[in-house]
Amino acid sequence: AQKITQTQPGMFVQEKEAVTLDCTYDTSDQSYGLFWYKQPSSGEMIFLIYQGSYDEQNATEGRYSLNFQKARKSANLVISASQLGDSAMYFCAMREASSGGYNKLIFGAGTRLAVHP
Amino acid sequence: DAGVIQSPRHEVTEMGQEVTLRCKPISGHDYLFWYRQTMMRGLELLIYFNNNVPIDDSGMPEDRFSAKMPNASFSTLKIQPSEPRDSAVYFCASSQSPRNNSPLHFGNGTRLTVT
Repeated sequence: AQKITQTQPGMFVQEKEAVTLDCTYDTSDQSYGLFWYKQPSSGEMIFLIYQGSYDEQNATEGRYSLNFQKARKSANLVISASQLGDSAMYFCAMREASSGGYNKLIFGAGTRLAVHP
Repeated sequence: DAGVIQSPRHEVTEMGQEVTLRCKPISGHDYLFWYRQTMMRGLELLIYFNNNVPIDDSGMPEDRFSAKMPNASFSTLKIQPSEPRDSAVYFCASSQSPRNNSPLHFGNGTRLTVT
């Protein structure tokens, strides 16, 4: 079974608009962490935002926010005021405490975002 | 602070040759990871180390792959002999203790092409 599911292979958004990238996860752990990474065409993996399973508030980092719905096991990334430089692949990832707490990240397949001027 | 440093950025080699990928993690990070990224399989964890000791190598595809971490500031991933299906981008990442919310910090990757 897929641990991390990103159902949108590709998305596009108009510059300055907001966009939501979907992520659902599967775990039986109570303690886990959720991460989003950005991979631009240059190839590097850039950490964007983190949400802990016990965090009561949704995480925010600048224009990035994480819409965390624990009961639905979803952790959608919201990018506000999209910029051309936001065009990239976006990966959702999860770390489960049951993996020994050893910080193993499991990644989804990614969503390619294109921002149009 | 310098991030995770990988070398080379690109490697082109012929089938059957030995390939060595190198990684310098961020100073003070106790965990080091090797990931492989392909179009077909996405990002796969190959192996990771804690305090220079291999913890989980269940993602290493086969015996042709080996990884070492002789000290806290250096790791290698070796493929011998290489095959065309090994062509991929190989990422090294490092992290602090898992008892906090520290993310993995990735290097820029090595793009390997085996002809």
